[in-house]
Amino acid sequence: LAKTTQPISMDSYEGQEVNITCSHNNIATNDYITWYQQFPSQGPRFIIQGYKTKVTNEVASLFIPADRKSSTLSLPRVSLSDTAVYYCLVVMNTGFQKLVFGTGTRLLVSP
Amino acid sequence: GAGVSQTPSNKVTEKGKYVELRCDPISGHTALYWYRQSLGQGPEFLIYFQGTGAADDSGLPNDRFFAVRPEGSVSTLKIQRTERGDSAVYLCASSGGPGTDTQYFGPGTRLTVL
Repeated sequence: LAKTTQPISMDSYEGQEVNITCSHNNIATNDYITWYQQFPSQGPRFIIQGYKTKVTNEVASLFIPADRKSSTLSLPRVSLSDTAVYYCLVVMNTGFQKLVFGTGTRLLVSP
Repeated sequence: GAGVSQTPSNKVTEKGKYVELRCDPISGHTALYWYRQSLGQGPEFLIYFQGTGAADDSGLPNDRFFAVRPEGSVSTLKIQRTERGDSAVYLCASSGGPGTDTQYFGPGTRLTVL
């Protein structure tokens, strides 16, 4: 699976839009990009997954350019409760598989 | 229950002791995964079950670690002769609900080996 690289940390303020970019230069044709969120003392929680272009759900948007070598997780109007670690993962398109986590991006949202 | 549950939430043991960590997956999920997370790091894969059998145990660090899932539901991770380096949060996830293979994680068991 392709290795991912993302910033170690980011800071933001309440109400701002936050964009976290992840690079995955060696992504394969059948791979998807998946993002998880983890709060302290909790397990990771699935946020969003996409293959190309744009995916949006009630939590976030995921932008993937045509070459798919990077992706951007967008969190609109963050609140203090969005303070967490965000992991970008590359997963195969089918079936059950182990997830390979990096160190993630630690997002701190301040008042 | 609605989610994955893990017991105990915290476990403190002494070096050399044996410990068991339990995971109750989401009802009906066929796949179950164990991960380990050290402070400041992302979760690291240990083992994955499909039904009762271990489909991939490539992440188990050594033969002191063993996991079972005898009836295809609850799983137990067993660690023999614990070492201080085994201290971490042990996470369990399950997947296999209708139409999705998204993994749902439990809250983890924090293991401390003194």
